Amino acid sequence: GQNIDQPTEMTATEGAIVQINCTYQTSGFNGLFWYQQHAGEAPTFLSYNVLDGLEEKGRFSSFLSRSKGYSYLLLKELQMKDSASYLCAGTDSNYQLIWGAGTKLIIKP
Amino acid sequence: ETGVTQTPRHLVMGMTNKKSLKCEQHLGHNAMYWYKQSAKKPLELMFVYNFKEQTENNSVPSRFSPECPNSSHLFLHLHTLQPEDSALYLCASSQRDRESNEQFFGPGTRLTVL
Repeated sequence: GQNIDQPTEMTATEGAIVQINCTYQTSGFNGLFWYQQHAGEAPTFLSYNVLDGLEEKGRFSSFLSRSKGYSYLLLKELQMKDSASYLCAGTDSNYQLIWGAGTKLIIKP
Repeated sequence: ETGVTQTPRHLVMGMTNKKSLKCEQHLGHNAMYWYKQSAKKPLELMFVYNFKEQTENNSVPSRFSPECPNSSHLFLHLHTLQPEDSALYLCASSQRDRESNEQFFGPGTRLTVL
């Protein structure tokens, strides 16, 4: 079967670091996306990992382990504007996206 | 702005009404998608169009009827909906011949069925 799991909700403090985990099972896996979605807005692309390892983009980094079916999104120096839902999506052999339910991240001052 | 627009942004309709959602992409992509997003559930893929041809229909009830007149425009025609159809309907586009198939989303239409 095809399945993406991620925590429903996480809370973190402004200025801190938070790691959002995602495990996946997709047939013919090709790569893994992370999207950010603010309330009432469209999901926007954050990262796409195909190879194992960590990719860094400013305050955000994304990690992939293909052998473990595992990814995480790391957010550093958290800002209040980072309060949003973070969606994990794996691609199958047809590059169709299989989506997780999203992790709602709450940032507290 | 992602280059994908959707209208209307909000829609309230009765169960006997007929309405249409519109999506337009200005990115030159060759694939367009309709998704349903309900609270605390994964995005549900409804329909996929590649080069104006429907390639996916994920067991969507016939009360939802898509139309893709060209590669830039996508419609979702709604009729005799149920209250459980209330959700955020998102349109997305992508370039399917790129390896990543990154999808660009519109802002969505918040649909409420009374």
